Order: sequence, then C-alpha cells, then structure tokens
Amino acid sequence: NAGVTQTPKFQVLKTGQSMTLQCAQDMNHEYMSWYRQDPGMGLRLIHYSVGAGITDQGEVPNGYNVSRSTTEDFPLRLLSAAPSQTSVYFCASSYSTVNSPLHFGNGTRLTVT
Amino acid sequence: EDKVVQSPLSLVVHEGDTVTLNCSYEVTNFRSLLWYKQEKKAPTFLFMLTSSGIEKKSGRLSSILDKKELFSILNITATQTGDSAVYLCAVLYGGSQGNLIFGKGTKLSVKP
Repeated sequence: NAGVTQTPKFQVLKTGQSMTLQCAQDMNHEYMSWYRQDPGMGLRLIHYSVGAGITDQGEVPNGYNVSRSTTEDFPLRLLSAAPSQTSVYFCASSYSTVNSPLHFGNGTRLTVT
Repeated sequence: EDKVVQSPLSLVVHEGDTVTLNCSYEVTNFRSLLWYKQEKKAPTFLFMLTSSGIEKKSGRLSSILDKKELFSILNITATQTGDSAVYLCAVLYGGSQGNLIFGKGTKLSVKP
C-alpha cells in the first residue's frame, strides 16, 4: 500500500543549484500533479499531467519543469533554485479528477539559501 | 477571478465543543467541492460533494453543499484533540479534467 511516494523528504539547496523532486504512484492513476504549500497561501498548482506524455502548467509554473514518461512517475525539476522556491512540495494523483479525490504524498520540505 | 475562501482562518475550541467550518467559492462551471484534513504531512480526503442539500457524514464529521449560495460547511461534533488539524476546502471547476483550486485552510486547535 505505498500510494504516492515522494523523495527526498527534506532538501537544502544553494541559490542557482538544480535538483529533481521524485514522485511515484502505484495506483495506476492517470492524473498526477505537483503543488507547493506556503504559509498563508494554501496549496497552489505548479504542473499537472493527465497521462503519460502529457503535461500542462498550473497556477505557478515558472522555474519548474516536469515530464511524464511513464504512468507511475512524475518528477519535478528545479532548473536554478531561488529563495522564493523555499516551500513544501506535494505530489498528488487520482484516477480522474472528475470522479475521484486526490491522493497526496507526504511532501518534500525544500529550503533554498 | 476564480477563488475559494475559507473562514475562519483559525479556531480554538475545547474538547466536546461542536465546530462549523465554512467554505465559499466563486468559479466558472463548478463540478465538485472537496474537504481534506491536513495534520503534519499529507492532506487526507474527507468528503466530495457534488449535489446541493445532500449531507455527507462520517462519524462525527458531516458536510453539506449549497450550490445556490455557493458555499459548503464542515461540521465536527464532540471534538477531540485528534481533530486538531488544518482543514482544506478545494473546488473542482472547468471543462475536461477540470481545475482544482484550494482555499487557504482553517487551522483548528482542540484543547483538552
């Protein structure tokens, strides 16, 4: 019963460094998404994917890239980290956004210094 | 602009109290409203509401949707310290797969 697995749990980066946050789900969900959660801002959608090979931008996509080469994996890449990207990142998936709720991973706490 | 507004932003009660959390929304082509509970880590799903006036219930928690007045409430009766969490409201709207927009959450603290 792994569900949605995110790695790493914590990460500290220096400004300008790049890294990839990993997300994998074992529920055969078509829909996957990345959110960031900041104090007083709620959850904001970064990128999402409705199936392998298909991705699209959410509310706050700048500075992030995604790809979806398989149904299971949806990595989030930070190209050149900035302090404004300090946040908690959640990956979430669902069979279909229309009829089923999102299942969230446990989050990655990222600090950019 | 599409938005979801939750109130209050924070709430402190004592064990045994009943609380009501509010969620109002303004979106185009509403599809459903969801409630989540977030403790220390991942939000966990509570309810999905699509029809007005039909109460969904799970133990001491219940929720109802009013599509005419564009709001939902989440009730928790006989609160316990384990109910302490941030409660998130989200609205699915738009076409195709839809877009999901979250409110900022209500932080509930239940004191013994």
